[in-house]
Amino acid sequence: NAGVTQTPKFRILKIGQSMTLQCTQDMNHNYMYWYRQDPGMGLKLIYYSVGAGITDKGEVPNGYNVSRSTTEDFPLRLELAAPSQTSVYFCASSPGGGQGGWQPQHFGDGTRLSIL
Amino acid sequence: GEDVEQSLFLSVREGDSSVINCTYTDSSSTYLYWYKQEPGAGLQLLTYIFSNMDMKQDQRLTVLLNKKDKHLSLRIADTQTGDSAIYFCADGEDGTASKLTFGTGTRLQVTL
Repeated sequence: NAGVTQTPKFRILKIGQSMTLQCTQDMNHNYMYWYRQDPGMGLKLIYYSVGAGITDKGEVPNGYNVSRSTTEDFPLRLELAAPSQTSVYFCASSPGGGQGGWQPQHFGDGTRLSIL
Repeated sequence: GEDVEQSLFLSVREGDSSVINCTYTDSSSTYLYWYKQEPGAGLQLLTYIFSNMDMKQDQRLTVLLNKKDKHLSLRIADTQTGDSAIYFCADGEDGTASKLTFGTGTRLQVTL
């Protein structure tokens, strides 16, 4: 069982380039999330989704876009890469829906992105 | 907004107990979680506690919750070198798309 899969694992971009970070999960989870992790910091929520066709901003959405056309996939797009977006990006999913409560998040292994 | 705080670093000798502390501000937290992050990897769920519990034990792990002081701790008994990692506490609120607020993480170093 693969869980949450992120691609690519590493990427170097030039300032102003665009790219899409891919995330897919095979657990049939309703909720999906994108975080960034900067050195010595916790995780900051960028965007999240509670189901196909529904997305919402998190704490640090500027400079990013997302879409959720299927339950399985939740890509994150950087349109005009800036050095401040150098970070490690994590995708996560949780079952969602139902009675709420116990809803642990399952994480991918991350994408390490450098913008030079 | 919500805030979750942890100390940045803890060093213990192999075989000793480790205690990692966390404070949070959100009084409506429903579940509190502990995640472990090994180098170059994502976060793995270690354990959790429901907000109406004071303590939870799971093998070598003991979670204590003081809801009045909004203080959470994770005790690892008989700490091993394989426990070296960054430990994050996170609090979650029911009914908010299961969003979590993470602390900054505590780096645990286990020495021989």
